[in-house]
Amino acid sequence: QQQVKQSPQSLIVQKGGIPIINCAYENTAFDYFPWYQQFPGKGPALLIAIRPDVSEKKEGRFTISFNKSAKQFSLHIMDSQPGDSATYFCAASILEYNFNKFYFGSGTKLNVKP
Amino acid sequence: DGGITQSPKYLFRKEGQNVTLSCEQNLNHDAMYWYRQDPGQGLRLIYYSQIVNDFQKGDIAEGYSVSREKKESFPLTVTSAQKNPTAFYLCASSMGQGTATNEKLFFGSGTQLSVL
Repeated sequence: QQQVKQSPQSLIVQKGGIPIINCAYENTAFDYFPWYQQFPGKGPALLIAIRPDVSEKKEGRFTISFNKSAKQFSLHIMDSQPGDSATYFCAASILEYNFNKFYFGSGTKLNVKP
Repeated sequence: DGGITQSPKYLFRKEGQNVTLSCEQNLNHDAMYWYRQDPGQGLRLIYYSQIVNDFQKGDIAEGYSVSREKKESFPLTVTSAQKNPTAFYLCASSMGQGTATNEKLFFGSGTQLSVL
């Protein structure tokens, strides 16, 4: 059973568009929600993260919206650029026996067309 | 340069063969992890280690083994018992505070393992 469900699987937008990637979770014990960005042939890198006591976090062109009651969070990329083309993973973390365990979504492959 | 180095970048395994993937970090992190990435399935945890000489199974440990003899090294062996080993393998590390969930994972560039 997947702990974090991510959609869509792939996304194509024109340059300047605002792609939105959605994630949902069930376990209310999760208390940290990062997004990772992965370019082909590379490992993921932390992009932005949010705690559940905050409804929105913005860093540059990237914004996380968080809806605690709905157990959903999403990533918005403002004024998207071809360089944003990558795979994006949402994640949720929880402390289990003193170990910080991350559960990842299945990933969204974003293609920003020039 | 501080970071995580994985080698080799590409690896081929013959049937019945064990292969070892290397992971080295110079970030002075206590915790290290191995994830498996399959298309459309995200990252799944194989093994993790919070301290030298100690490691724990993750969600998909069957067919894999690890060791943590040095703080900076966490090699993964894919044994012949792993019947479907073709995947992209990612090593990661974190400070390993164990008391807060807002840890940042640092990933290596991965090893693509394929079966001949």
